[in-house]
Amino acid sequence: GAVVSQHPSRVICKSGTSVKIECRSLDFQATTMFWYRQFPKQSLMLMATSNEGSKATYEQGVEKDKFLINHASLTLSTLTVTSAHPEDSSFYICSARGSSGGAYEQYFGPGTRLTVT
Amino acid sequence: AQKVTQAQTEISVVEKEDVTLDCVYETRDTTYYLFWYKQPPSGELVFLIRRNSFDEQNEISGRYSWNFQKSTSSFNFTITASQVVDSAVYFCALSERNQGGKLIFGQGTELSVKP
Repeated sequence: GAVVSQHPSRVICKSGTSVKIECRSLDFQATTMFWYRQFPKQSLMLMATSNEGSKATYEQGVEKDKFLINHASLTLSTLTVTSAHPEDSSFYICSARGSSGGAYEQYFGPGTRLTVT
Repeated sequence: AQKVTQAQTEISVVEKEDVTLDCVYETRDTTYYLFWYKQPPSGELVFLIRRNSFDEQNEISGRYSWNFQKSTSSFNFTITASQVVDSAVYFCALSERNQGGKLIFGQGTELSVKP
């Protein structure tokens, strides 16, 4: 199946700094990428949907100025957590959907565990 | 509104027991997709199955089987002869055709299989 990578897998940063997380589709072109957040012992919650070359669509309650998403190419989307605070500590997972369409063609990355101290 | 409910937060069984994980969904769309994912302690989501709303056939894959019933809006997952390696959190998810592929996840069921 298709492969999606995320980098870094783990990151620890100090409060107030910004962190960038990369999501790459390695062997297919991803017209749409999704970013999810998962707090410990909780479910995955969709944060935003990004389409290549256009602005991301954020879910209700997600601050777009805090979570900057850039989908500059068909194989790369980035999530930047700006001015991170301890409450932003979470597991961030991206998924990518191929250009051939179909709601089911969505592949998940391995996730990035962010810890803000 | 779309919603997925997994009422069982935690299940604990002894190895070789059969176990069923429940999933109930709500949607107004007539075309939708249902999924099951496994999330082991490493955190990476493992895709198990996808079903579209027009295919109510039950499916069996090895020790795994799925029962999709539109009449009760349920998509239950059964593991036969459970093994310790089955211990994980299992998520049921829903995607509506008109929502651009967004997945709505249930709360997850943590399955613990003890030797």
